[in-house]
Amino acid sequence: QVQLVQSGSEVKKPGASVKVSCQAFAYTLSAYYMHWIRQAPGQGLEWMGWINPYTDATNVTEKFQGRVTVTSDRSVSTAYMEMNSLTSDDTAVYYCARGGRGYHNHAALDIWGQGTLIIVSS
Amino acid sequence: EIQLTQSPSSLSASVGDRVTITCRASQGIYNSLAWYQHKPGKAPKLLLYAASILQSGVPSRFSGSGSGTDYTLTITSLQPEDFATYYCHQYYNTLASFGGGTTVDIK
Repeated sequence: QVQLVQSGSEVKKPGASVKVSCQAFAYTLSAYYMHWIRQAPGQGLEWMGWINPYTDATNVTEKFQGRVTVTSDRSVSTAYMEMNSLTSDDTAVYYCARGGRGYHNHAALDIWGQGTLIIVSS
Repeated sequence: EIQLTQSPSSLSASVGDRVTITCRASQGIYNSLAWYQHKPGKAPKLLLYAASILQSGVPSRFSGSGSGTDYTLTITSLQPEDFATYYCHQYYNTLASFGGGTTVDIK
């Protein structure tokens, strides 16, 4: 069935980088926008940004600009979110989620990955 | 960026109760609003989109309404599996955003 499968949990040192992957199954990655969302411990959902895997257009919220890069590789049906200069505040579960189809970005997120726990600790 | 304010932030209810959660946007979002249910250790689940359209497979006890800046999620006859945190999400702006969440727990 249609699903998104994310990479496994990681522990990183402050200042390091992390790259989370999100592989799409049973649908064409490039046909839909892919969004990234995170949830820090005890906090709510925080929207981070999106990529259109067909055009490679991206948009990242101001808070993460310059520190977060979202990419995709259509040949392996996988989207990626890379974050650098990690601090303890980046400890969170990171989710990918499928958005709108084609050029229609304004849509709900109907399929979610299982989440990837990133722990930043010295 | 469009801010979404959910209320209440938490509530206690009993099985069979009717529950209402509100989401107020800082500007008009023209029904570009979705609601999600989130349980610990699970991925969020889409319940409704376009403010009032039920996602396939979601029980009809969930409903949504609203327009402009004010939106509501209603759960009629709360079931044991409905105890969770609920989030609204606006996708009117290309920079999306979520509300702060409403946790529904057992009274």
